[in-house]
Amino acid sequence: DIQMTQSPSSLSASIGDRVTITCRASQSVSSYLNWYQQKPGKAPKLLIYAASSLQSGVPSRFSGSGSGTDFTLTISSLQPEDFATYYCQQGYSTPLTFGGGTKVEVK
Amino acid sequence: EVQLLESGGGLVQPGGSLRLSCTASGFTFTNHAMSWVRQAPGKGLEWVSAISGGGGTTYYTDSVKGRLTISRDNSKNTLYLQMNSLRAEDTALYYCAKAPTPGQLLRFDCWGQGTLVTVSS
Repeated sequence: DIQMTQSPSSLSASIGDRVTITCRASQSVSSYLNWYQQKPGKAPKLLIYAASSLQSGVPSRFSGSGSGTDFTLTISSLQPEDFATYYCQQGYSTPLTFGGGTKVEVK
Repeated sequence: EVQLLESGGGLVQPGGSLRLSCTASGFTFTNHAMSWVRQAPGKGLEWVSAISGGGGTTYYTDSVKGRLTISRDNSKNTLYLQMNSLRAEDTALYYCAKAPTPGQLLRFDCWGQGTLVTVSS
């Protein structure tokens, strides 16, 4: 199984901050890496797919990069609605696996 | 509008059974693989099982093989998860989630709101 490791597990940030979350795969997943946002009591929402493609309707302040084993999700200017937990997920092989999550909190 | 609506969750004793359903609307159901993803209380996301658009190929995570069975009825736009021999560690919110293609799982581009399964005596 491919293990996905996210860091940090949590972070505190202020409105307007640039936020970066990293995800590392235990083996190459090529560009089959996706990012999700989950707010309390809600279902996850796809933000970024194929490492760097923005899902329709997602604000352009979200971006993704990387390939192989190392990936990054960046929020260029944090907005109030962005406080949430973010998960990476590899779609390279089954079992599909998620990172442990990164909780973005108000500083 | 794409919608997924799960049902069938509840409280069940260890060793018991439950069948979850997910009714889809707003897209051509047979053109998309579907998955079940679960989230234990306060924990992260765990993919459980998937099925191809035509229903001929199924996938499972190791911890549920032989106990959980995924299926779909494309004439009813409905996805199922038959859960047998349930354990306390199966307690979670179960989401159904849609893949963008019929054959490749890749990612989950739409999720339901989830149905809660609690396994406890």
